[in-house]
Amino acid sequence: AQRVTQPEKLLSVFKGAPVELKCNYSYSGSPELFWYVQYSRQRLQLLLRHISRESIKGFTADLNKGETSFHLKKPFAQEEDSAMYYCALNRAGTASKLTFGTGTRLQVTL
Amino acid sequence: GAVVSQHPSRVICKSGTSVKIECRSLDFQATTMFWYRQFPKQSLMLMATSNEGSKATYEQGVEKDKFLINHASLTLSTLTVTSAHPEDSSFYICSAIARLNEQFFGPGTRLTVL
Repeated sequence: AQRVTQPEKLLSVFKGAPVELKCNYSYSGSPELFWYVQYSRQRLQLLLRHISRESIKGFTADLNKGETSFHLKKPFAQEEDSAMYYCALNRAGTASKLTFGTGTRLQVTL
Repeated sequence: GAVVSQHPSRVICKSGTSVKIECRSLDFQATTMFWYRQFPKQSLMLMATSNEGSKATYEQGVEKDKFLINHASLTLSTLTVTSAHPEDSSFYICSAIARLNEQFFGPGTRLTVL
């Protein structure tokens, strides 16, 4: 069975501070990992996926298979980063169902 | 980018009635769509996988006779909550698989059963 764990329900940081949203997973096969973001009153949208190796809105995430982690990082938080962030996993290379973590609310304050 | 719409955005119904929610992929075809349920301040819980032209696949614990799914075309999947009760009140979200196996999410439908 696949599982995604986001240990923090709420992460509050000051503007300009570094951000790290934690995500750990368990999966016996080859996983594909994603970060989704949900801004207030908006739909869920893809932020980044590990196979793209992109930096989106200053966020990056590296898949660490040894630690089974996919932490989301940003060096300098902005107010507009405040949102719910969900880590998700599915079977690599397939259009299969996503398993979501419980989400972390990021609150960036002045 | 790919756009997924849902209709209605919110619905209020009486207990015992049935409610239909539509999920449409507006600018792409989707052989696979997913239906999720989201409780306040909680994560998305996958209810079922909707496959065009075949029966939906339900997750464990989801009553298929309660939540009827029809995926009649490559751009439309419907979720019907039958004989709705107050405990069915929730936020229902659909998603559709587009290019590169990326899921695009609808804006959600808030169902309130009185």
